[in-house]
Amino acid sequence: SQTIHQWPATLVQPVGSPLSLECTVEGTSNPNLYWYRQAAGRGLQLLFYSVGIGQISSEVPQNLSASRPQDRQFILSSKKLLLSDSGFYLCAWDRQGAEKLFFGSGTQLSVL
Amino acid sequence: SQQGEEDPQALSIQEGENATMNCSYKTSINNLQWYRQNSGRGLVHLILIRSNEREKHSGRLRVTLDTSKKSSSLLITASRAADTASYFCATDSSGGSNYKLTFGKGTLLTVNP
Repeated sequence: SQTIHQWPATLVQPVGSPLSLECTVEGTSNPNLYWYRQAAGRGLQLLFYSVGIGQISSEVPQNLSASRPQDRQFILSSKKLLLSDSGFYLCAWDRQGAEKLFFGSGTQLSVL
Repeated sequence: SQQGEEDPQALSIQEGENATMNCSYKTSINNLQWYRQNSGRGLVHLILIRSNEREKHSGRLRVTLDTSKKSSSLLITASRAADTASYFCATDSSGGSNYKLTFGKGTLLTVNP
């Protein structure tokens, strides 16, 4: 069966520090991969999605970047975190033509 | 901007009662999905209803879709304390791809034992 792993679960970082969140999917090949951010009391905002290795689409201009160095690995990064980067970050995957997303357990990022 | 907007923002009921949550959207859709999120966790897909369907059932869940009113409702019957969670609707307006899935802000459901 397919599983998605996302870590760390919580992270507290100072303003201006770098960020690296990792997400991996097991049990499937060539998944579509997504990074979402969820601000408190709000819905999910799509940040990036990827349909293959090295293929990244950005939905909103921001301080973050994403990379997909391997088929089932998706990384969210920042060179210098801002206070506004705080939030709950969710990785998700699906297959082409699938009708639902599978989410990881999320990372709560606090930038202080 | 948000495509789906859930109503109410918060709902508190007693165990055994039914819970109804509504979702309104603005543009034409291909399908509408409902997800559940326990506090501090990822979302879990509950049910999908296509634009040519009016009602769908899954266990204690019943979803309706009214494309003329651009609205959907999620009914949870005989609620349990374990149903306590946030519920989100998500609309697909892109032709069957999740790339453009748009989520609402959610309804926080509290089921009191």
